Amino acid sequence: DAKTTQPPSMDCAEGRAANLPCNHSTISGNEYVYWYRQIHSQGPQYIIHGLKNNETNEMASLIITEDRKSSTLILPHATLRDTAVYYCIVRAFYNQGGKLIFGQGTELSVKP
Amino acid sequence: DSGVTQTPKHLITATGQRVTLRCSPRSGDLSVYWYQQSLDQGLQFLIQYYNGEERAKGNILERFSAQQFPDLHSELNLSSLELGDSALYFCASSFQQGQGGNTDTQYFGPGTRLTVL
Repeated sequence: DAKTTQPPSMDCAEGRAANLPCNHSTISGNEYVYWYRQIHSQGPQYIIHGLKNNETNEMASLIITEDRKSSTLILPHATLRDTAVYYCIVRAFYNQGGKLIFGQGTELSVKP
Repeated sequence: DSGVTQTPKHLITATGQRVTLRCSPRSGDLSVYWYQQSLDQGLQFLIQYYNGEERAKGNILERFSAQQFPDLHSELNLSSLELGDSALYFCASSFQQGQGGNTDTQYFGPGTRLTVL
């Protein structure tokens, strides 16, 4: 399974964009990049995923570099409710069943 | 609300006991995944079922077992409980079994907090 590297913590001012980086230099061609977040001890919440193209949904944007070795999750206008641990996950499918392998994540603190 | 339900929300029991955690997937989802989150190990994949059959296994102890029933709900059985089994247990569901794409996105339930005394 490809491993990911994320900064352990980041701060962001409320109303500003939060840019969360993730390195996944050993990603394989058929592996997707997924982002989840976990607020306190709630169940992880799905944010967005992508294979090689940039993706956007109502929650966030995902920018994947052309060589696919890194990605950035962008929360365009962070609010206090976005304070959470954000997990970048490289996900293998087919024979491996699509399990999620969580690392330590980035603890994002959004401050007023 | 993800649509995945888990019961009970909290469970307190003693060492050596056996407990059953229950998960109901989102309507229409066929895959159920179980994860354990402890303070020292983080979130770890335990086991996956797809349409009643075991699909993938992770770091699940022999004292733990799971099954998925015909109505697609799943149960995780934990026996001979030890202090170290105290953790949050999450269930997630997806439509597919792991082919990739949007229908494989996993949605998590609120979890069951197990405390072993």
